[in-house]
Amino acid sequence: QVQLQESGPGLVKPSQTLSLTCTVSGGSISSGGYYWSWIRQHPGKGLEWIGYIYYSGSTYYNPSLKSRVTISVDTSKNQFSLKLSSVTAADTAVYYCARGRGLQFLDYWGQGTLVTVSS
Amino acid sequence: QSVLTQPPSASGTPGQRVTISCSGSSSNIGSNYVYWYQQLPGTAPKLLIYRNNQRPSGVPDRFSGSKSGTSASLAISGLRSEDEADYYCAAWDDSLSGLFGGGTKLTVL
Repeated sequence: QVQLQESGPGLVKPSQTLSLTCTVSGGSISSGGYYWSWIRQHPGKGLEWIGYIYYSGSTYYNPSLKSRVTISVDTSKNQFSLKLSSVTAADTAVYYCARGRGLQFLDYWGQGTLVTVSS
Repeated sequence: QSVLTQPPSASGTPGQRVTISCSGSSSNIGSNYVYWYQQLPGTAPKLLIYRNNQRPSGVPDRFSGSKSGTSASLAISGLRSEDEADYYCAAWDDSLSGLFGGGTKLTVL
């Protein structure tokens, strides 16, 4: 059974960089064929796709966030990461990592982690 | 304002059949698969329907999905109290962007 777990600071100051890591267990990131994904949910709102990194290293980012987002993979640790720069209060959200068997085909999700942007 | 349009709310009584719609365009629903996710209060979303109308193992056959043109629907038959949740449609857009609908809050009366 694949499991994903987000980790990282729960509080980030405005203008700084939000950094989160997703640790995958029960399966190998380097096994191929999957899209490793980040999604966020603003408080009381709907889901927003942030981006994917395909096992080959190709990345796809939400155009509205593209200038500030970087998703990377560390196969040695079976982890993938999200960096979102120049954050504001509008980036306060629950951040989820997920495994994609296809584009938007997200079959396993982490439990989510709340990140608050505040001074 | 989401590119995929869902009604904000839906409701039904136990045993009823309810449907939730998701409207998109030729660049997303019209040319790509539709997925549905169920989010129970305080939990992560869960895949409910994939590739328009397929159910993952463990999802009851009370849940079904369909797609026609640039719209899709999720149907829930034999409504139960535990179906009370938020439901999201999702699709890829040919502009190389992942999309989610705005979500529909289902209330079981």
